[in-house]
Amino acid sequence: KNEVEQSPQNLTAQEGEFITINCSYSVGISALHWLQQHPGGGIVSLFMLSSGKKKHGRLIATINIQEKHSSLHITASHPRDSAVYICAAPAGNKLTFGGGTRVLVKP
Amino acid sequence: DGGITQSPKYLFRKEGQNVTLSCEQNLNHDAMYWYRQDPGQGLRLIYYSQIVNDFQKGDIAEGYSVSREKKESFPLTVTSAQKNPTAFYLCASSKVGAFVEAFFGQGTRLTVV
Repeated sequence: KNEVEQSPQNLTAQEGEFITINCSYSVGISALHWLQQHPGGGIVSLFMLSSGKKKHGRLIATINIQEKHSSLHITASHPRDSAVYICAAPAGNKLTFGGGTRVLVKP
Repeated sequence: DGGITQSPKYLFRKEGQNVTLSCEQNLNHDAMYWYRQDPGQGLRLIYYSQIVNDFQKGDIAEGYSVSREKKESFPLTVTSAQKNPTAFYLCASSKVGAFVEAFFGQGTRLTVV
């Protein structure tokens, strides 16, 4: 079993819909990262959070340290949000990545 | 501005040739990491280093080599022993211990023909 699990693996939404991606982890962490990877491969760091909630534009990330669970929400989704979203958690001396969620937003 | 830089973004090599991917950071981070991503799969750890002149193998180190002669630099060499070198390679860095702050390069897409 992976130490960091994401769901769903794939998600298709219509433009304007609210999207939720989940990340569960089995290791104790001090912070969790959400990353975005566009076609072409470049990775952008979206959030690093250790408690509560963070918001950036239409993106909202929440984390519950006790339940070892984090969610990434996309409000009013747009085709340009189509990408792979990856959560990453430190495990020991390393970052462990979830498998990613491939999001496709259709116009 | 502080950050982590990988170069080049795209790299093409002939089969059987060694190739070195560059990763440089000016964040004064002690720890640096190399990950590999294959199509449709997650990122897997190749090597990591927590201090200059020291590094450890990750989950898929075979066919790769690294060096950490300077704090700022952690180059990855993909050797001819790596059976399937075509992949996306990501470098990351962080502070040791706290691991609250981690930064990621933009990645290098290596294609071996």
